[in-house]
Amino acid sequence: NAGVTQTPKFQVLKTGQSMTLQCAQDMNHNSMYWYRQDPGMGLRLIYYSASEGTTDKGEVPNGYNVSRLNKREFSLRLESAAPSQTSVYFCASSGGTLNQPQHFGDGTRLSIL
Amino acid sequence: AQKVTQAQTEISVVEKEDVTLDCVYETRDTTYYLFWYKQPPSGELVFLIRRNSFDEQNEISGRYSWNFQKSTSSFNFTITASQVVDSAVYFCALSDPTSGSARQLTFGSGTQLTVLP
Repeated sequence: NAGVTQTPKFQVLKTGQSMTLQCAQDMNHNSMYWYRQDPGMGLRLIYYSASEGTTDKGEVPNGYNVSRLNKREFSLRLESAAPSQTSVYFCASSGGTLNQPQHFGDGTRLSIL
Repeated sequence: AQKVTQAQTEISVVEKEDVTLDCVYETRDTTYYLFWYKQPPSGELVFLIRRNSFDEQNEISGRYSWNFQKSTSSFNFTITASQVVDSAVYFCALSDPTSGSARQLTFGSGTQLTVLP
């Protein structure tokens, strides 16, 4: 009963380093999402994938790239990390229809020094 | 464009008090869905309830109840006889046909509820 699994749970990077956040879901969902959560700002959508093979920008895509590797996996990459990208990152998935809720992973707490 | 407003940033109550969390939304569509999520101190986001725009019946689940009113574009959440375990951030979210190909959710900024013993 894993649902949405994110790795790693915590990460500290230095400015300029790169890293990839991994996300996998086992619910056979079509759509997947990456959010960042900052204090007082709720959840902001970074990128999403409506279905396997497609990705689109969300509200705050600058500084990030994504890959929808297959139906199960959706990764988020920071090519050159900046302190402004210090945040908690959440991956989510859903069936992709209007009435279906999104199911979230446990989050990745990322600090960039 | 769609928008969700949770005007209450923080609420603090004493255990056993009732508390209502407000959610006001904006959308131009007649078909849409509203959601509530809970984020406890452990950090995960938990789906609580979904409501569609054609169903204005209030819903009760144990100590939780939801009041959906299209006339005021509100979808408020009430916890009766609050408990310390209810302490969390609560998010209201909206999904409508303009939300994109993946049916993205528009989230409110959240309400931090603290229940004191």
